[in-house]
Amino acid sequence: QLVLTQSPSASASLGASVKLTCTLSSGHSSYAIAWYQQQPEKGPRYLMKLNSDGSHTKGDGIPDRFSGSSSASERYLTISSLQSEDEADYYCQMWGTGTAIFGGGTKLTVL
Amino acid sequence: EVQLVESGGGLVQPGGSLRLSCAAAGFTFSSYSMNWVRQAPGKGLEWVSFLSDTSNGIYYADSVRGRFTISRDNAKNSLYLQMNSLRDEDTAVYYCARSLPVVGVYFEYWGQGTLVTVSS
Repeated sequence: QLVLTQSPSASASLGASVKLTCTLSSGHSSYAIAWYQQQPEKGPRYLMKLNSDGSHTKGDGIPDRFSGSSSASERYLTISSLQSEDEADYYCQMWGTGTAIFGGGTKLTVL
Repeated sequence: EVQLVESGGGLVQPGGSLRLSCAAAGFTFSSYSMNWVRQAPGKGLEWVSFLSDTSNGIYYADSVRGRFTISRDNAKNSLYLQMNSLRDEDTAVYYCARSLPVVGVYFEYWGQGTLVTVSS
């Protein structure tokens, strides 16, 4: 069964870095995922597609502060030099056979 | 600039029907597969349906299969979602999303969403 697991919340200070984690269910460690950002009261925004080898393709206009990496069944989103506008919900998503699955999302608070 | 504009949302009674539309601009609509994704109030994202560029590939989430129908009109640069037998749990903001042109389905561009409320 396809499941993506994310921590419900994370926090970090302005100007610091934070690493968000998305864990793929057993047997799916080779799958690619995508990361999305959803700022308050806005629609989601595509950040990047992240492959199992850590290579990633970012969306148009996504700053270099956003990067992705992978290790086994974990997919990471690292945001450096945190800014106030990075406070948002972050979702990971994967595609299985005929179905798309989202993680539950991580609410990032910038302190 | 890619633009996706949803319309057609509103208040509908349980068991009723509604048709959502998504007007696309700023890209060659007929070359991309498209999707509907929804978000219930205060909840996370849930994929609803996928439609390939030529309409020969269609997928639905289990929660809507048999009740919702996705379609497109490439001549009108438009995507549609016909929603029948609506339930309270279908209440959500519905987003139209263009697929990333790669193997697999990922959502590169999103509209602003249209709210569907199912309530008596």
